[in-house]
Amino acid sequence: KNQVEQSPQSLIILEGKNCTLQCNYTVSPFSNLRWYKQDTGRGPVSLTIMTFSENTKSNGRYTATLDADTKQSSLHITASQLSDSASYICVVRVSNSGYALNFGKGTSLLVTP
Amino acid sequence: DGGITQSPKYLFRKEGQNVTLSCEQNLNHDAMYWYRQDPGQGLRLIYYSQIVNDFQKGDIAEGYSVSREKKESFPLTVTSAQKNPTAFYLCASTGEGYFNEQFFGPGTRLTVL
Repeated sequence: KNQVEQSPQSLIILEGKNCTLQCNYTVSPFSNLRWYKQDTGRGPVSLTIMTFSENTKSNGRYTATLDADTKQSSLHITASQLSDSASYICVVRVSNSGYALNFGKGTSLLVTP
Repeated sequence: DGGITQSPKYLFRKEGQNVTLSCEQNLNHDAMYWYRQDPGQGLRLIYYSQIVNDFQKGDIAEGYSVSREKKESFPLTVTSAQKNPTAFYLCASTGEGYFNEQFFGPGTRLTVL
């Protein structure tokens, strides 16, 4: 069972509108959580990283939130642009040695004119 | 420019043939990774290497092989034993530090004819 669940699976919004993507995780012990943006046919690029003590972090029009108690994170996109069309992937790192990343399946966002 | 390069971007292979995907990084990172990405699925770890001349199997290593003779290079061979090799392959690397980000290459799309 995937320990990082993202919703919705896909989303279509009009240019200029806002949207929120969700990430719920069950992995433990938690180290940090990253949101990546992946354009079609390209490699993912990091948008934000959040640690246990952080609630909100912004990167331009992207704002990530984290509730470590409920193990939920969200990525809010403000005033969407056509270039925001991409897949958004939530990645949770656990606190142990060796390989420690857990990937969500991603949310596919399409921004239409 | 520092970064990760993968070549080729598109690769076509006949069934029964082995093929090697190239991954080079000039970020001076110790750790390197190979992922496979299929539509509707999250990234799945094939192999990873935390130091030269050492590598570990990931979740889906069967039918794949790697080598790590140089810090900068981590080639992936898709062998004829891989039953369903058509996919998008991503190479990544990670530097040191608590918040070490995974940097991804642009990917190689492999199609078996």
